[in-house]
Amino acid sequence: DIQMTQSPSSLSAFVGDRVTITCRTSQSISNYLNWYQHKPGKAPKLLIYAASSLQSGVPSRFSGSGSGTDFTLTISSLQADDSATYYCHQSYSTATFGGGTKLEIK
Amino acid sequence: QVQLQESGPGLVKPSGTLSLTCAVSGGSISISSWWSWVRQPPGKGLEWIGEIYHSGSTNYQPSLKSRLTISVDKSKNQFSLKLDSVTAADTALYYCARKIYDYPYYFDYWGRGTLVTVSS
Repeated sequence: DIQMTQSPSSLSAFVGDRVTITCRTSQSISNYLNWYQHKPGKAPKLLIYAASSLQSGVPSRFSGSGSGTDFTLTISSLQADDSATYYCHQSYSTATFGGGTKLEIK
Repeated sequence: QVQLQESGPGLVKPSGTLSLTCAVSGGSISISSWWSWVRQPPGKGLEWIGEIYHSGSTNYQPSLKSRLTISVDKSKNQFSLKLDSVTAADTALYYCARKIYDYPYYFDYWGRGTLVTVSS
C-alpha cells in the first residue's frame, strides 16, 4: 500500500491567517491526490481533486498544489467555518488516506 | 443532489456478522460510479474497505477480502456490506461514499457515517 504522511496532525490559527497542510506519499502518485474536509457528525466534503482542481461550490480560499510525492492544501484566509479535520487521499492505487489534520480557530 | 444514508445495527457480537446498508437518493445507483465503504476506528485514520459497480463488479481491501461481501440492489437503489467473523478491531464509524468511475477517482459524496461497536 502507498503510505500517506500528513502534517501537522493539529494546528490552531486565527481568522484571516494563511494555513498550509502537507501530505507526502511513499511513492510517486502523479496528481492522484484529493483533499476532504470533515466536521463531526457530518459527511466528509470533497474540497480539491486531482491535486489542484477546486470542487464545484468550494470557496476559492481553498487551493491545492503538488505532484509526485509532495502535496499541499492551502487556506488563504482562514474563516471560523473552516474549523474541521482535513484529510488527503491518494487514488493512484488501493485508496489510502492521510492521518488527518485537526484545524482549530483561535 | 445525491445523498447517502447508512443504516444497520450499532452493536454486533464478536464472531458475528456486521451488516450495513447504504441508501442512495437524489440519483440512480446505476450510473457510472463506484459505490464504496470506508471506515474509521476510534482515534484512528480512514480505511477504505471496498467498492461495487452497479454491474456487480467488486474491489476489496486485501486484508478484509476473506471476510467481506459487498452487494448492490438496483431495485432499491442501495448497496450493502457484510463483514464476517468480526472482532473488536472492526469497531469503527462506517461511511458509504460514491467514487467517480474514471480518473482521478475521488469520493464526491459521502454519508454521515454509522457507528458499529463489536462487543459482547
